[in-house]
Amino acid sequence: NAGVTQTPKFQVLKTGQSMTLQCAQDMNHEYMSWYRQDPGMGLRLIHYSVGAGITDQGEVPNGYNVSRSTTEDFPLRLLSAAPSQTSVYFCASSQSGVGNQPQHFGDGTRLSIL
Amino acid sequence: DQQVKQNSPSLSVQEGRISILNCDYTNSMFDYFLWYKKYPAEGPTFLISISSIKDKNEDGRFTVFLNKSAKHLSLHIVPSQPGDSAVYFCAATQGGSEKLVFGKGTKLTVNP
Repeated sequence: NAGVTQTPKFQVLKTGQSMTLQCAQDMNHEYMSWYRQDPGMGLRLIHYSVGAGITDQGEVPNGYNVSRSTTEDFPLRLLSAAPSQTSVYFCASSQSGVGNQPQHFGDGTRLSIL
Repeated sequence: DQQVKQNSPSLSVQEGRISILNCDYTNSMFDYFLWYKKYPAEGPTFLISISSIKDKNEDGRFTVFLNKSAKHLSLHIVPSQPGDSAVYFCAATQGGSEKLVFGKGTKLTVNP
């Protein structure tokens, strides 16, 4: 049982490059989300999706795009990478939203922008 | 403005003693609270949760207490074990929001 799988685990980009962080879950969860964790900042919500074809913004959406064409996949796209986007990115999923159930997290993608 | 606050960046306790991690929140609309544990180089894992209709929830060595009037919750770990050494995040949400708000975390070290 793989749970939530994030790829790649590590990535170094140059400023201005674009990239897609992949996230896949095999639990048939409707709700998926992306967070970033910066030192001393906890986890901050970037974008989330309550089901295929539906996405919405979180707390820090600027500079990121998402789409949800299938239940299983929720990729996060950096359109033009900036040093401020250097962070650890976590993808999470849950059966139906965050209102009364915990999310399952992937192990993260550590991204460095030079 | 931070809606979920964990004011202690770190906590150190002896093995076998009680660990108490604290969390305060400012949004009175929050009605569901969770604690996650995170080891280095891994994603957070769910530990325990509590709904605002309760003031206590237990799961083995872990107990969460909620004081709604004070907008405060705490996580008690008894007895503490070295394997409990990790960063603990408090998180909160309100019904219908679909957004989870995290605190900055408290790093717990349990010394043998």
